[in-house]
Amino acid sequence: EVQLVESGGGLIQPGRSLRLSCIGSGFGFGEYAVTWVRQAPGKGLEWVGFIKSFLYGGTTEYATSVKGRFTISRDDSKSVAYLQMDSLKTEDTAVYYCSRVGTQWRVDYWGQGTLVTVSS
Amino acid sequence: DIQMTQSPSTLSASVGDRVTITCRATQSINGWLAWYQQKPGKAPKLLIYSASSLESGVPSRFYGGGSGTEFTLTISSLQPDDFATYYCQQYNSYPFTFGQGTKLEIK
Repeated sequence: EVQLVESGGGLIQPGRSLRLSCIGSGFGFGEYAVTWVRQAPGKGLEWVGFIKSFLYGGTTEYATSVKGRFTISRDDSKSVAYLQMDSLKTEDTAVYYCSRVGTQWRVDYWGQGTLVTVSS
Repeated sequence: DIQMTQSPSTLSASVGDRVTITCRATQSINGWLAWYQQKPGKAPKLLIYSASSLESGVPSRFYGGGSGTEFTLTISSLQPDDFATYYCQQYNSYPFTFGQGTKLEIK
């Protein structure tokens, strides 16, 4: 069974850093791109960024709102993707989801999400 | 960035109704569009990809259409489980962007 599990969320002060993890199981993790999407309380979905598989260069792309502050990386030996969030702002408060990008760019499996609250 | 605008923002309908949600992009996205369903407290679920391809396991009452900058998601006969929020997303060019969502409510 394909599963994605996020962890690392919590309460953090503005300006600090936090790293989220996304562990995949039940599939060849290294063969797939991984996407991060967030959802502020009561709001819609916002694409955060993604990382391609190393087969396709392992390159990353980011939303304009997080570029330069957030970094996505992966360690396929551990079947994990990371979202490093620096210089956090109150507007970064959201549930963060990781998801798998399958064939034909289908975002077909999602984790349950982890809540990040940025507040003093 | 490509902006995605969904209409309506809220839709009230009854079981058995046929409903259509529209998603417009600020430039052509070459059919690289997905539709997701989300229920409260849950992760989104992929319904449609490549504008009109039905994801495996999704009921055939859902279908997507459109091209260029205008796309639609139609539910042919609403079932009780379909009341949720629906999002479109373009993945033609970075950054990928979502519509603001359409909440489908029971009338």
